[in-house]
Amino acid sequence: EADIYQTPRYLVIGTGKKITLECSQTMGHDKMYWYQQDPGMELHLIHYSYGVNSTEKGDLSSESTVSRIRTEHFPLTLESARPSHTSQYLCASSEFGGLAADTQYFGPGTRLTVL
Amino acid sequence: AQSVTQLDSQVPVFEEAPVELRCNYSSSVSVYLFWYVQYPNQGLQLLLKYLSGSTLVKGINGFEAEFNKSQTSFHLRKPSVHISDTAEYFCAVSDRGGGSNYKLTFGKGTLLTVNP
Repeated sequence: EADIYQTPRYLVIGTGKKITLECSQTMGHDKMYWYQQDPGMELHLIHYSYGVNSTEKGDLSSESTVSRIRTEHFPLTLESARPSHTSQYLCASSEFGGLAADTQYFGPGTRLTVL
Repeated sequence: AQSVTQLDSQVPVFEEAPVELRCNYSSSVSVYLFWYVQYPNQGLQLLLKYLSGSTLVKGINGFEAEFNKSQTSFHLRKPSVHISDTAEYFCAVSDRGGGSNYKLTFGKGTLLTVNP
């Protein structure tokens, strides 16, 4: 069973606020990901990390930023939230170095609403 | 570039009926194939994946999928569904040659609703 956690699960916030979405995993996986998920749409990769002090942007342009100071922790930050940021954000990690055949393990997601 | 098409956005079925969720992909390279399931208010969970070998892959919860290279399809099947199978199902592909820089491409999902 995957041990990957996200907090908060739900967040409603006003425009202009700074927010941080937390993601932690206890599996010791090096590679971690952030996806954005909207209803009826594909999951879009917005950030990923190969390990500590490594972060890369994904396919979907995002105004968010990420950091990876510890293996188990991969937070996502929005400096100034806008209504266009309203979405579900899913964190994931993968075993075995993050190769193409790897299974990705997902957290439960954070549903963000910006008013 | 890769793409994944899930032909049905919603599939309603009655309990104990068989179901097939369709997935077609497009890729210029060889791929690995995955099915993930997302139960309400939860993250995605791997159902099964095709890496190599037998084209019929068995997964958790009685699901199976068949890889058809000529039709570039990876349809998911279950012979008898339960109410608890109600969830969103995502098909995904990744580039075999991508190494650690691979990209996992998802379809838009199929919502399976099992009615009593």
